[in-house]
Amino acid sequence: KQEVTQIPAALSVPEGENLVLNCSFTDSAIYNLQWFRQDPGKGLTSLLLIQSSQREQTSGRLNASLDKSSGRSTLYIAASQPGDSATYLCAVGLFSGGYNKLIFGAGTRLAVHP
Amino acid sequence: DTGVSQDPRHKITKRGQNVTFRCDPISEHNRLYWYRQTLGQGPEFLTYFQNEAQLEKSRLLSDRFSAERPKGSFSTLEIQRTEQGDSAMYLCASSLWGLAGATSTDTQYFGPGTRLTVL
Repeated sequence: KQEVTQIPAALSVPEGENLVLNCSFTDSAIYNLQWFRQDPGKGLTSLLLIQSSQREQTSGRLNASLDKSSGRSTLYIAASQPGDSATYLCAVGLFSGGYNKLIFGAGTRLAVHP
Repeated sequence: DTGVSQDPRHKITKRGQNVTFRCDPISEHNRLYWYRQTLGQGPEFLTYFQNEAQLEKSRLLSDRFSAERPKGSFSTLEIQRTEQGDSAMYLCASSLWGLAGATSTDTQYFGPGTRLTVL
């Protein structure tokens, strides 16, 4: 059974810091891996999607890496800003039964203070 | 098209009442998913549709839950005889899959969710 773990559960940093969020998964037979952002009481916004054949994806100040063999992904946020404060969710996609079933971690709650 | 929409955004009900939520996917998306998210946890898969066919249901979807997508467009999720344990955020997502000649990753786009509180 695929399990997804995110560390740390919560993180508080001063503005301007570079930071790394970690995601680990137990089964390396994944279809893709996706990072989402969720603001309090809101839905999910997709940040980056990495296919199983890829090693990393970048979007602006965000960079996500994927190491299938070790069952790990990291989300790197450069020069953090207060507007980055949110919960970041990692989801592993398992192409099973003809569709991409997403298995989520519990998330990392990030607070960036001025 | 502005994305996946869900209605209502918030619902407060008393234990034992029935509730129904609606999801409107992105136009022409042929797949629609329902997830449930409890406080402090990530979303958990409930069920998914390809067009109007419900192709998989999670064991989390008890007999009190029923989902439909009658014309392959919008979907409804009904919970009968609600219990306090049903309190959660219910998220809907849609994706486009299987266009001939197109590469599809089955990327899911999420709506804003419906927050259910059962008193």
